[in-house]
Amino acid sequence: DGGITQSPKYLFRKEGQNVTLSCEQNLNHDAMYWYRQDPGQGLRLIYYSQIVNDFQKGDIAEGYSVSREKKESFPLTVTSAQKNPTAFYLCASTLFAGTEAFFGQGTRLTVV
Amino acid sequence: AQSVTQLDSQVPVFEEAPVELRCNYSSSVSVYLFWYVQYPNQGLQLLLKYLSGSTLVKGINGFEAEFNKSQTSFHLRKPSVHISDTAEYFCAVGGRDDKIIFGKGTRLHILP
Repeated sequence: DGGITQSPKYLFRKEGQNVTLSCEQNLNHDAMYWYRQDPGQGLRLIYYSQIVNDFQKGDIAEGYSVSREKKESFPLTVTSAQKNPTAFYLCASTLFAGTEAFFGQGTRLTVV
Repeated sequence: AQSVTQLDSQVPVFEEAPVELRCNYSSSVSVYLFWYVQYPNQGLQLLLKYLSGSTLVKGINGFEAEFNKSQTSFHLRKPSVHISDTAEYFCAVGGRDDKIIFGKGTRLHILP
C-alpha cells in the first residue's frame, strides 16, 4: 500500500543532542512538508520541499534542518539550537505543492 | 500571504444534533481549501477538499462544506453527529505550487 512512514513513533532526546526524524513516502509525490503540532497551536510549518535538492523555510524553521536528496525521503533534524523541541511532529506529502496532503502517523519527541 | 482562522477552539454538541465548524481564510490568489480530521495521537485524514467547480463539497463520514468566495469562508457541516465524530478538525488552505497552511483546529465534543 502507498503511504507515508514516519519513524520512530516515540523519541526521547537529552538536552544538547541533535536527533533526526525519518519520513519516507512511496506515493511518488513531488512535495513534502514537516509540521510541528503543539496543543492549541494547530500545525505550524517548519520546512517544505517542492522538488529534490530544494527546500524552503516555513514559519518556525529556527533550530531545525532538513535535506531532500531523494524524492521519497525528507528527514528532519532537530538541533540543540531548538530550545523547546518537545512536540508532535507530522510529515506530509502532496502530488504537487498546494494540493491534497497525505500525512504520516507522527513522531512524538520528548526532551528528558 | 495565506492564512486560516478557525473561529471556535471547541464545539460541544449533543449526539444526533447538527454541527457547523467555522473557517475563514485569506489569500490573494485562487485557493484550494481542505478539511482534515485528527484522532488522538494520529496523523491527519482528509475529510473533503475544494479545488474548483461546485461550491458545495461532500466528503467522507457524512460531512460537507460550502465555499463562499465573497465571505472567504469554508464552513464544515454535518446534519447529525455521532459519538465517533469526537476528534479535532483542521481547516487548511493551499494553492498551486504553494505551501499548505493550517488553522489552529476545532475540538468537537459529542455529548450523550
